[in-house]
Amino acid sequence: AQTVTQSQPEMSVQEAETVTLSCTYDTSESDYYLFWYKQPPSRQMILVIRQEAYKQQNATENRFSVNFQKAAKSFSLKISDSQLGDAAMYFCAYRSATGASGSRLTFGEGTQLTVNP
Amino acid sequence: DGGITQSPKYLFRKEGQNVTLSCEQNLNHDAMYWYRQDPGQGLRLIYYSQIVNDFQKGDIAEGYSVSREKKESFPLTVTSAQKNPTAFYLCASSMLLSGRGRAGELFFGEGSRLTVL
Repeated sequence: AQTVTQSQPEMSVQEAETVTLSCTYDTSESDYYLFWYKQPPSRQMILVIRQEAYKQQNATENRFSVNFQKAAKSFSLKISDSQLGDAAMYFCAYRSATGASGSRLTFGEGTQLTVNP
Repeated sequence: DGGITQSPKYLFRKEGQNVTLSCEQNLNHDAMYWYRQDPGQGLRLIYYSQIVNDFQKGDIAEGYSVSREKKESFPLTVTSAQKNPTAFYLCASSMLLSGRGRAGELFFGEGSRLTVL
């Protein structure tokens, strides 16, 4: 079974600074998807960014970018120019692209990000 | 607007009672999911369904039951057999994956908070 590990339960960053959240995963598959979701205090899960494993290029979405290292099974999220609204719990997630297991998403334990003004 | 609707938002249950959480989607997604979230923790999969009249157990299915009689609906029943049902419950849906290029992300409802008195 696939597992997702987020080793940083809490992180903090100054407004306008850059922060990187770590995520590692364990899988024997070669084709899969990786995601970062954000859960603000409202508890609504919001997709931040996605990465397809077959793409070598790292995904970017405005101030959010990832560092995808397939061989190392690492998928970190970089938030640039941090804003107060970025404060939330961030979850890394894995989804197989093949077979019956391809339907489910496996989440890490989450990293609580605090943004200091 | 297309989306996922969960109800009720807050629910209180006495010990020994069964309760049902509703989840409806109008995104025309084939797959639907139920996750449980405990304070400060990640999301754990309870059940998921890829097609009408079929569903699979997730990692923590004991004490829960589901049905999938319509594509749009995936209600979750928390039975009296669930020993510790107080939690936040999230419903989600997604397209089934078929080939590369499909985004693969899950779309989430706003959640239901269940408290056992």
